Amino acid sequence: KNEVEQSPQNLTAQEGEFITINCSYSVGISALHWLQQHPGGGIVSLFMLSSGKKKHGRLIATINIQEKHSSLHITASHPRDSAVYICAVKFRGNEKLTFGTGTRLTIIP
Amino acid sequence: NAGVTQTPKFQVLKTGQSMTLQCAQDMNHNSMYWYRQDPGMGLRLIYYSASEGTTDKGEVPNGYNVSRLNKREFSLRLESAAPSQTSVYFCATLLGQGWNTEAFFGQGTRLTVV
Repeated sequence: KNEVEQSPQNLTAQEGEFITINCSYSVGISALHWLQQHPGGGIVSLFMLSSGKKKHGRLIATINIQEKHSSLHITASHPRDSAVYICAVKFRGNEKLTFGTGTRLTIIP
Repeated sequence: NAGVTQTPKFQVLKTGQSMTLQCAQDMNHNSMYWYRQDPGMGLRLIYYSASEGTTDKGEVPNGYNVSRLNKREFSLRLESAAPSQTSVYFCATLLGQGWNTEAFFGQGTRLTVV
């Protein structure tokens, strides 16, 4: 069965802390996305990953194809990083995206 | 460049009423998707359109119809709204294939059925 699991479901941290959000998937994929959704807002794509690591400012995304696992890291976290972070994958042979349930991140000043 | 535009942003319906959610994209993408987002669940695919003139059911199509009017527009219709259709709806497009796939989302429509 094609599944995507994210952890943790909720995460609260102090400003400045290093944040890690995890995503695991069940079978081979052809694409993996990390998305961000602000309260009451739309969804924006942060990263599209195929291998290794990508960095965008304070955000870093990594993927390990063999272990079927990806992580999203936030360095020097800030209250404006508070949002829901969603992992989405395209399983091989399927043109549609399958989404994780999201991780709700709250950064306290 | 507006990307993906959804209307309306908010809507309250009474049970049994009908409405159409509109989605338009100005990126000339072939594939368009409608998802619903409910608390504690990932986005679930309602319907999708791989190209102009084609539509297919997703995971949760019951109670919905779609229309791919042209390459730009993909609308979602609720013929007789039910409280179970209270949700946030997102329209999306995907560009590319395999590892070179980009995803673009609309701002969402928050629908409440009372």
